[in-house]
Amino acid sequence: AQSVAQPEDQVNVAEGNPLTVKCTYSVSGNPYLFWYVQYPNRGLQFLLKYITGDNLVKGSYGFEAEFNKSQTSFHLKKPSALVSDSALYFCAVRSRGDSNYQLIWGAGTKLIIKP
Amino acid sequence: DGGITQSPKYLFRKEGQNVTLSCEQNLNHDAMYWYRQDPGQGLRLIYYSQIVNDFQKGDIAEGYSVSREKKESFPLTVTSAQKNPTAFYLCASREGRALLNNEQFFGPGTRLTVL
Repeated sequence: AQSVAQPEDQVNVAEGNPLTVKCTYSVSGNPYLFWYVQYPNRGLQFLLKYITGDNLVKGSYGFEAEFNKSQTSFHLKKPSALVSDSALYFCAVRSRGDSNYQLIWGAGTKLIIKP
Repeated sequence: DGGITQSPKYLFRKEGQNVTLSCEQNLNHDAMYWYRQDPGQGLRLIYYSQIVNDFQKGDIAEGYSVSREKKESFPLTVTSAQKNPTAFYLCASREGRALLNNEQFFGPGTRLTVL
C-alpha cells in the first residue's frame, strides 16, 4: 500500500537554528513529492515540489527539500528558522504511474520555533 | 488562499440536518477536491472531480454528497447519515487534470460543528 510517514508529531527548534521536518514515503514507481504548510484555522499553502532533476528543491519562504531515492525520503529544511515558521507541515506524494489522481498525505508535523 | 473561496467560515448544525458547504474557484482549474481534517490527523479525501458533471468517491465518502454542474463550483453536502461530521473541511483545486505533477491550491476552510 502506498503511504507517507512523518515520523515526528512535533519538532521544536530555537529561532536562528536550522530546521528539518522529516518525510518518508512508500509508493509504486517514481514519485511526485510535495510539501504544504498550514497556519492555524487556515487552508494549506503550497511550499515546494519535486518532479524530476536536481534532488535539492527550493521553495517559498526560504524552505528547501532534498529528495533521496535510496532512502525514499523528502525532508524539508531551512537554514535559519523564524518564529513565523511555526505551523503545521504536511508531506504528500503521488506515483507517476498511478492513474488515480489522489495525493497520499502524511499526518502532519507541528513545527514550533522558540524565540 | 488564492482564488478559492469557501463559505461559511464557521457552520453549526443540529443533529439530523443536512448542510451544504460552498466552494468556488476562479482559477479555471479542471480538478476540484474536498478533504476532511480532524485534529492530529492528516487530510482525508471525501470526493474529487476531474471535470464538470463528473466526480468520484474518495476514501471517506459515506454520508457526503457533491455536485459539479459548473467548472468553478463544487459544493459539498454533509447529510444526516454522516455520523461524526464535526471537522474542518478543506476544498482544493488543481490545474490540468492530466498533469499529475501539478500542486493543489486550497481554500481557507469551513469549520463545521454539530450541536
